[in-house]
Amino acid sequence: DMKVTQMPRYLIKRMGENVLLECGQDMSHETMYWYRQDPGLGLQLIYISYDVDSNSEGDIPKGYRVSRKKREHFSLILDSAKTNQTSVYFCASSPGTGIGAETLYFGSGTRLTVL
Amino acid sequence: KTQVEQSPQSLVVRQGENCVLQCNYSVTPDNHLRWFKQDTGKGLVSLTVLVDQKDKTSNGRYSATLDKDAKHSTLHITATLLDDTATYICVVGDRGSALGRLHFGAGTQLIVIP
Repeated sequence: DMKVTQMPRYLIKRMGENVLLECGQDMSHETMYWYRQDPGLGLQLIYISYDVDSNSEGDIPKGYRVSRKKREHFSLILDSAKTNQTSVYFCASSPGTGIGAETLYFGSGTRLTVL
Repeated sequence: KTQVEQSPQSLVVRQGENCVLQCNYSVTPDNHLRWFKQDTGKGLVSLTVLVDQKDKTSNGRYSATLDKDAKHSTLHITATLLDDTATYICVVGDRGSALGRLHFGAGTQLIVIP
C-alpha cells in the first residue's frame, strides 16, 4: 500500500520550543518535500530532498531545517518555534528525481499551533 | 504575486448537478498542470495531470482541459456526489526536472448538498 505517513497529526508548542515533524514513505521514492499550507494561500515549498543527505531550500526555508538520513524518512525541524510558524505542514514524495508528470503522494498533514 | 488563480473561491451545488472549476496561471514556462482533491483535514490526492499544449483528460466523473496558449485549465465534475465535497487545487509545474518548481493555487472549495 503506497503511503506517506506524518507524525504527529496535531501539535501544540510554545514560542521558543523546538519542534520535530516526522514523515515516512514506503515507496522507496527518491524525492521528498515539505510544504506548509495557510488559509487562502497555495502550498509553499519549504525544503526538497533529492535523496539521503541531498537537501535543497525551497521558497520559504527561513526558520526551518531538515534531515534525511534514510531514503524513507524525512524530518522537518523548527529550532525555537515562532507564532508565525503556526500552519498545516504537508510532506510529499515522488518517484525519480524529477517533478514532471509523475504523481506526487501527500501525507495527511500535521497541524502545528505555536502559542 | 500569485501565479495560479482559481475560481470560484467556493461553490455550492446540489447532488447530481455538474460543475466547472477554473484555473488561470501566469507561470512560465508551464511544463504540466495537475488537479488535486483535498478532503477536509487530509492530504492532496492527484486527480489528473495535463501535459500537452492543448490537452484533455478524463478520469471517471472528472474531466479536465488545458490550453497553454491561454494559460487556462478547467476541471469538470459531472453528476456530483456528496463525497465530492472537498477543496480542489490546481498546480502548475514549471519544468519536468528536479530544477523545477510546483506553483499551487489556493483552491476552490466545493460543497455538494443533498
